[in-house]
Amino acid sequence: DIVLTQSPATLSLSPGERATLSCRASQRVSSYLAWYQQKPGQAPRLLIYDASNRATGVPARFSGSGSGTDFTLTISSLETEDFAVYYCQQRSSWPLTFGGGTKVQIK
Amino acid sequence: EVHLVESGGGLVQPGGSLRLSCAASGFTFSNYWMTWVRQAPGKGLEWVADINEDGSEKNYVDFVKGRFTISRDNAKNSMYLQMNSLRVEDTAIYYCARAINGGSWPDWGQGSLVTVSS
Repeated sequence: DIVLTQSPATLSLSPGERATLSCRASQRVSSYLAWYQQKPGQAPRLLIYDASNRATGVPARFSGSGSGTDFTLTISSLETEDFAVYYCQQRSSWPLTFGGGTKVQIK
Repeated sequence: EVHLVESGGGLVQPGGSLRLSCAASGFTFSNYWMTWVRQAPGKGLEWVADINEDGSEKNYVDFVKGRFTISRDNAKNSMYLQMNSLRVEDTAIYYCARAINGGSWPDWGQGSLVTVSS
């Protein structure tokens, strides 16, 4: 199974700051990696698919990069509504797997 | 607008069974893979199973193989998850989702809570 390791576990930042989240895969997943945002009591929301493609309606401040085993989600300037938990997920091979999540909290 | 609605969750004793349903609307259901993802209380997301467009291909995470069965009825725009031999550790919110690109999920239901407890 492909293990996805996200770092850091928690990121404490202020609105307006830049957030950089990391996801490392235990095996190469090509560009088959997605990022999701989840807020308390809500279903996950797809932000980025295939490493760098923004999903419909996702603001341009969210960007994804990487390929192979190392991936990054960048939020260029945090808005209040961006404080949430973020998960990466690979679709390179079954079983499909998620990372453990990064919580972005207000500093 | 895509709309996914899960139902069928509830409280069940260990060893019991439940059948979750996912009713879909707003898209051509028979053209898409569908999936189940779960989230235990306070924990992360966990993929459970998925099914291809016509139901001929199904995939499961190891810890549900032999206990859970995914299925779909394209005439009813619905997907199902039959869960047998339930364990305490199966307690979670179960989400259904529509897949694109072979395994990214832009559309999710609101979730159905399954609680396995004596």
